[in-house]
Amino acid sequence: EIVMTQSPATLSVSPGERATLSCRASQSVSNNLAWYQQKPGQAPRLLISGASTRATGIPARFSGSGSGTEFTLTISSLQSEDFAVYYCQQYNDWPPLTFGGGTKVEIK
Amino acid sequence: QVQLVQSGAEVKKTGASVKVSCKASGYKFTSYGISWVRQAPGQGLEWMGWISAHNSNTNYAQKFQGRVLMTTDTSTSTAYMEMRSLRFDDTAVYYCARTDVALGMYTISPKWFDPWGQGTLVTVSS
Repeated sequence: EIVMTQSPATLSVSPGERATLSCRASQSVSNNLAWYQQKPGQAPRLLISGASTRATGIPARFSGSGSGTEFTLTISSLQSEDFAVYYCQQYNDWPPLTFGGGTKVEIK
Repeated sequence: QVQLVQSGAEVKKTGASVKVSCKASGYKFTSYGISWVRQAPGQGLEWMGWISAHNSNTNYAQKFQGRVLMTTDTSTSTAYMEMRSLRFDDTAVYYCARTDVALGMYTISPKWFDPWGQGTLVTVSS
């Protein structure tokens, strides 16, 4: 089973600042990685697939990068609606498909 | 628009079974799969398994093997997840999610999840 590790667990950022979230895989997942955003009381929403391809309707301030075992989600200028929990998910090797433990982005 | 609508909240006793439905609309049901992901209170996301709506093939996470059954009804574009022998720690929100697929020579593999259903809270009590 591929273990996905996200860091930090919590990220405190001021509105308008840049946020950088990390996701590490226990073995290579190539670029078979997705990112999701989850707000309290809501279902997760797909942000990024293929490590760097934004999903339909996702603002350009969200960008994904990386391949192999190291991945990054960057939010270039945090808006109030971006404060949420973010999860990465690998789909390179399964079953099971696996998620990281999440990074909570909170207001500083 | 693409939408998944799940059935309502359930309260079950330990040892009972629960069946959650997920009705899809706005896309060709058989061109994708449906995954089930659960989230215990205050916890992260856990993939339970998936079903290909094309051929009804299923794959379950080992943790749920023998206790969960995923099915589809293509006539109504609805997916179902049934779990038996419920335990206290099965209390969670259960999500269905449309699953993009990779077509291999002989296999269909799940990829990412988009969109998700609104979630169904299953509470297991004594």
